[in-house]
Amino acid sequence: GEDVEQSLFLSVREGDSSVINCTYTDSSSTYLYWYKQEPGAGLQLLTYIFSNMDMKQDQRLTVLLNKKDKHLSLRIADTQTGDSAIYFCAERMTTDSWGKLQFGAGTQVVVTP
Amino acid sequence: EAGVVQSPRYKIIEKKQPVAFWCNPISGHNTLYWYLQNLGQGPELLIRYENEEAVDDSQLPKDRFSAERLKGVDSTLKIQPAELGDSAVYLCASSPERGTDTQYFGPGTRLTVL
Repeated sequence: GEDVEQSLFLSVREGDSSVINCTYTDSSSTYLYWYKQEPGAGLQLLTYIFSNMDMKQDQRLTVLLNKKDKHLSLRIADTQTGDSAIYFCAERMTTDSWGKLQFGAGTQVVVTP
Repeated sequence: EAGVVQSPRYKIIEKKQPVAFWCNPISGHNTLYWYLQNLGQGPELLIRYENEEAVDDSQLPKDRFSAERLKGVDSTLKIQPAELGDSAVYLCASSPERGTDTQYFGPGTRLTVL
C-alpha cells in the first residue's frame, strides 16, 4: 500500500479556496509533486517543490512544505468547476538511486456551484 | 509538442487471453515508465527504462508480464495470460533524463478482464 497519505475526498464551493493535504515518508525526499487526474485521463503534472523550499506559488496554486512534519499541502485559490478531479501527491524517494516516485491514493475534489 | 501516446485506450479481453499495450514517449525523453493504477489508488511502478535498458523491474510480475523497449524509443507491455485481477489502468510516462524525474504521463490503457 501507499506510504504517502492523503485524505480521500474534499468538497468545495465554486470560488472558495481548496486545501489538499498530504503526508509523506522520506525526510530526505528531494522533490515533491502534485498531479491532477481528470476522469479517463492520465496524470497531469500541476506543480512540484524542491525540498529546500517552504513555499511555491504558481498562479492559483500554492504549495506549502513542512519538512519537520513531512507535510505537504496544495492550495487552489478561487476554485472552479474545472478543478474537479483527483489530486495525487508524490514524493521522489532517495532510497532509490533512480529517484522512484511514491504516490498517495489521491484526493477526489468535487467543486459545487 | 506531442505528449506521451498510448494505445489502445480501452481493451476488453477474456481471462487467459494475451494482451499488449503500446507507448510512445515524448520525443527526446530517455526514461520511460510503466505504471499500474488500480481503482481508487495511485500509480504503482511496474518497470522503468533508461533508453533500452530496464533499470528497475522489481515490481513487474515476471511470470505473466513482460516489457520491451528495443530501440530505446517506444515500448510494449504484455500480459500473458491475463487474469481477472489484472483489470486496471496501465499508464506510461516519460522523463527527459535520469535525475530530474519530472514525469509526463500518457492517458493510459484501461484493461477489463472478463
